[in-house]
Amino acid sequence: QKEVEQNSGPLSVPEGAIASLNCTYSDRGSQSFFWYRQYSGKSPELIMFIYSNGDKEDGRFTAQLNKASQYVSLLIRDSQPSDSATYLCAVSSNYQLIWGAGTKLIIKP
Amino acid sequence: DVKVTQSSRYLVKRTGEKVFLECVQDMDHENMFWYRQDPGLGLRLIYFSYDVKMKEKGDIPEGYSVSREKKERFSLILESASTNQTSMYLCASRDLTTYEQYFGPGTRLTVT
Repeated sequence: QKEVEQNSGPLSVPEGAIASLNCTYSDRGSQSFFWYRQYSGKSPELIMFIYSNGDKEDGRFTAQLNKASQYVSLLIRDSQPSDSATYLCAVSSNYQLIWGAGTKLIIKP
Repeated sequence: DVKVTQSSRYLVKRTGEKVFLECVQDMDHENMFWYRQDPGLGLRLIYFSYDVKMKEKGDIPEGYSVSREKKERFSLILESASTNQTSMYLCASRDLTTYEQYFGPGTRLTVT
């Protein structure tokens, strides 16, 4: 059974600090990695995707991928209360996406 | 801008009823998916479709069926609704160049 693991949280971070979200996966053949944000009662929306080892930055968000360690992370700089949501990690496997259960992030003003 | 729509945001049905959930996408995507999402369990794949008239079972297909007669439309059918099918149902379509999945707004189904 291919798995994606995330800490369910909640992860509480002060406003303006860096939030660090982590995800591990079991399928070494995975090629594409996604971070989705889901507000309560809403559907998931894509924040970032990453295919290559290393860092990928987009505004306040940085995705980090380490295929050797089977580890992908999302950093949110200058966290805002509007970043409070559940963050879902998804990993491609055999043309499907395997989803983590999500980490609930709370940004405290 | 990709748009995925679902026929209902909220639905209340009785045990034993046949339930139809409709999903339509406007980006000419070949792949479409049906998930259910329950607290603490994340997204679980019910069925997916690679193309018109093609369907594959996901992780939890029991009690469900699907129909894909046209490329833009993917329907989920609960043959005989049961209380354990009370859940949020999410439809998605996929861009084959990026593997990104685009989600509809979801249907919160309650079976009483």
